[in-house]
Amino acid sequence: GQNIDQPTEMTATEGAIVQINCTYQTSGFNGLFWYQQHAGEAPTFLSYNVLDGLEEKGRFSSFLSRSKGYSYLLLKELQMKDSASYLCAVRDSNYQLIWGAGTKLIIKP
Amino acid sequence: EAGVAQSPRYKIIEKRQSVAFWCNPISGHATLYWYQQILGQGPKLLIQFQNNGVVDDSQLPKDRFSAERLKGVDSTLKIQPAKLEDSAVYLCASSSTGGEYFGPGTRLTVT
Repeated sequence: GQNIDQPTEMTATEGAIVQINCTYQTSGFNGLFWYQQHAGEAPTFLSYNVLDGLEEKGRFSSFLSRSKGYSYLLLKELQMKDSASYLCAVRDSNYQLIWGAGTKLIIKP
Repeated sequence: EAGVAQSPRYKIIEKRQSVAFWCNPISGHATLYWYQQILGQGPKLLIQFQNNGVVDDSQLPKDRFSAERLKGVDSTLKIQPAKLEDSAVYLCASSSTGGEYFGPGTRLTVT
């Protein structure tokens, strides 16, 4: 079966750096996505990786290793507004998005 | 550019009643998705349209859920009759290439 694993919850301090990991097992691979979802709101697109390596976008970076079935989302200079759930999703060989359950990130002052 | 529009934002119904949700995707996006998201879980795909054709509806409970996208633009998702376990947020998303862009969702409560 297809599976996306990510931690359920993480806690970090304002101003610090946090890394949210995602491992996946899917039938085929056509890209990995990270979404941010604030409580009560819809997911918003953060990043897309289809080749191995690091994609940087301001305070957020996303890394992919296809051979290891592994990605991480790195958030720097954490702000209170970064408190949200972070969803990892993989597009499989049928171009379906397979979703993880999300990682709830709690930022403390 | 305007985002994905959904209506209504909130709906409360009693079990066995019917409900319909509407979605208008981003202009030019051929692919439209309906997802169900239960609190604390990732979105679950219910149905995917490419223009006005169904690409995947394998997880749609067809005995009570139906969806249509007649002109390949906006779409309607219907639940009839609703069950308690249908309480969730129903998300519509659209894409052209790359990532999916989500509407604000409809929060459904079935009592």
